[in-house]
Amino acid sequence: EAGVTQFPSHSVIEKGQTVTLRCDPISGHDNLYWYRRVMGKEIKFLLHFVKESKQDESGMPNNRFLAERTGGTYSTLKVQPAELEDSGVYFCASSPGMGGRKNTEAFFGQGTRLTVV
Amino acid sequence: AQKVTQAQTEISVVEKEDVTLDCVYETRDTTYYLFWYKQPPSGELVFLIRRNSFDEQNEISGRYSWNFQKSTSSFNFTITASQVVDSAVYFCALSESHGQNFVFGPGTRLSVLP
Repeated sequence: EAGVTQFPSHSVIEKGQTVTLRCDPISGHDNLYWYRRVMGKEIKFLLHFVKESKQDESGMPNNRFLAERTGGTYSTLKVQPAELEDSGVYFCASSPGMGGRKNTEAFFGQGTRLTVV
Repeated sequence: AQKVTQAQTEISVVEKEDVTLDCVYETRDTTYYLFWYKQPPSGELVFLIRRNSFDEQNEISGRYSWNFQKSTSSFNFTITASQVVDSAVYFCALSESHGQNFVFGPGTRLSVLP
């Protein structure tokens, strides 16, 4: 079974440019999360999708970040325009639907390392 | 408010030594879940263990063991007879019952020297 995959693995862009990160969750997982680790600090929650709906986007830092999950399958996270402080590693995770299995372990992708110069 | 503290930023041990990684958490919920994840040099986060707040039984899995103490809000992780392949950043995380998102600690970088 394929795990959570993220693309690209590494992206270097200039300040002001746009970058789109993609996450393919494990097939059948309703829950999809985005996290990021900036400047070696804690891994911070960004948002949570249940299928195609945003369940919780309280961690999104500002309106330069836009996340979508078309059809409840893969998700994209767009940063526009990128700023220097957006540099970090962006993780995606997925977990099965609720169905009585709350707080099951989330399976994480390998992360996308974003460098804004 | 939720918070996870991993006071040890970096630890270095020599192969075959035992090492304990500390994790202290804060939460107002009575039902919550604690996790440990490993981030090897390849970058991905690898799930190690999940423990719910009602189960204080310690767990052992091979060379790994976990000590959950609600009285001190700690969930420590011990690696016995460490190996070079154990070198990684280890994250402790907390998830409360009402939500699915995680709060991570800052991580502890473990270096196991040959």
